[in-house]
Amino acid sequence: AQSVTQLDSHVSVSEGTPVLLRCNYSSSYSPSLFWYVQHPNKGLQLLLKYTSAATLVKGINGFEAEFKKSETSFHLTKPSAHMSDAAEYFCVVSDRYGGATNKLIFGTGTLLAVQP
Amino acid sequence: ETGVTQTPRHLVMGMTNKKSLKCEQHLGHNAMYWYKQSAKKPLELMFVYNFKEQTENNSVPSRFSPECPNSSHLFLHLHTLQPEDSALYLCASSHTGTANTGELFFGEGSRLTVL
Repeated sequence: AQSVTQLDSHVSVSEGTPVLLRCNYSSSYSPSLFWYVQHPNKGLQLLLKYTSAATLVKGINGFEAEFKKSETSFHLTKPSAHMSDAAEYFCVVSDRYGGATNKLIFGTGTLLAVQP
Repeated sequence: ETGVTQTPRHLVMGMTNKKSLKCEQHLGHNAMYWYKQSAKKPLELMFVYNFKEQTENNSVPSRFSPECPNSSHLFLHLHTLQPEDSALYLCASSHTGTANTGELFFGEGSRLTVL
């Protein structure tokens, strides 16, 4: 079965400094991986996705993630944090391959705090 | 309206009440999903519908009863809930078949509190 592990439940950075949110995955086949963001009292918004094309994936709001098969990692980064980046971030793996509907397995989330 | 819309955004109910959550998607998708988001727990998939047919029930208690009258609307009927059912209930939708790009599109959720 597919799974993801988010290595940090909380990350705090200062505005203008880099962001690194770590995620490791487990998959028996070439996975589809996603990062979603959830701002307070909001639904989940897709930041970026990896589906076996380029290993460096660029997303919205300056975020990017690199798929590293040898390390089974899909860490999320951003060069310079903004106050509006404060939110909860979820690493997600798809547990369905080639099916009609999607079965996404969510990590436990990383709460990002951005200090002024 | 665009995207996935959920109503009500907040709901407080007693354990003996009957209420319903509504979800509507304006994205032309054919699959719809209910997820439960509880504090300090990963999102839990509850139900999946494909072209109005239920394709997945993730061992959800019968006090939660889904209904999908068409590909654009999804309901979650609630009755005799327990306090531990208090959570954020998220609706999502996706394409199916060759148009499926793998991701889900989420609504903003319905925050349920059971007293």
